[in-house]
Amino acid sequence: DADVTQTPRNRITKTGKRIMLECSQTKGHDRMYWYRQDPGLGLRLIYYSFDVKDINKGEISDGYSVSRQAQAKFSLSLESAIPNQTALYFCATSDPGPSGRFTGELFFGEGSRLTVL
Amino acid sequence: DQQVKQNSPSLSVQEGRISILNCDYTNSMFDYFLWYKKYPAEGPTFLISISSIKDKNEDGRFTVFLNKSAKHLSLHIVPSQPGDSAVYFCAAAANFGNEKLTFGTGTRLTIIP
Repeated sequence: DADVTQTPRNRITKTGKRIMLECSQTKGHDRMYWYRQDPGLGLRLIYYSFDVKDINKGEISDGYSVSRQAQAKFSLSLESAIPNQTALYFCATSDPGPSGRFTGELFFGEGSRLTVL
Repeated sequence: DQQVKQNSPSLSVQEGRISILNCDYTNSMFDYFLWYKKYPAEGPTFLISISSIKDKNEDGRFTVFLNKSAKHLSLHIVPSQPGDSAVYFCAAAANFGNEKLTFGTGTRLTIIP
């Protein structure tokens, strides 16, 4: 089984609908992230969380919200989906290591492909 | 404004030869760089990193070179193997420990048997 699991893997929805993408991890990492990948733009950080009570905005948080329900679970919500939120979404985790600082090594899930019509 | 650029969307290399993937950056605050590899239908996986205090870091067949004056880094794979066929992303951070990575757009590497 994957260490970082995303559901659903594929979703097609309509403009204005509320969508939730879920992520769970068995790696025991405190830090979790949501990224978005678009063709020609690489991966961009949406939100990240150091623990259940610590959530931070990334580069492109507008139109998104997140919830860290437990150390192992981090969900991404689109309150009212729009077509330009059509993208491949990745959840990731990290372990700060001995220094306590982010090393840059992220452990990604397999991705959730979202299409907004 | 793309601060990390991978100008070659694709690259084909014969098996056994050297693969060289390039990445340029514009933000002079970046001082920590990483390469990720992505297979279809999978998430990216970390490959190798380099700090700006070094100009080279090697891990087996993979070597990353950093040219700070040119704001350029490259990933060398020697010898290239069919399993290296994937999309490669470079990423950069301003200060080691900064959670916010800036990714390039990726280069699709195809190794020809």
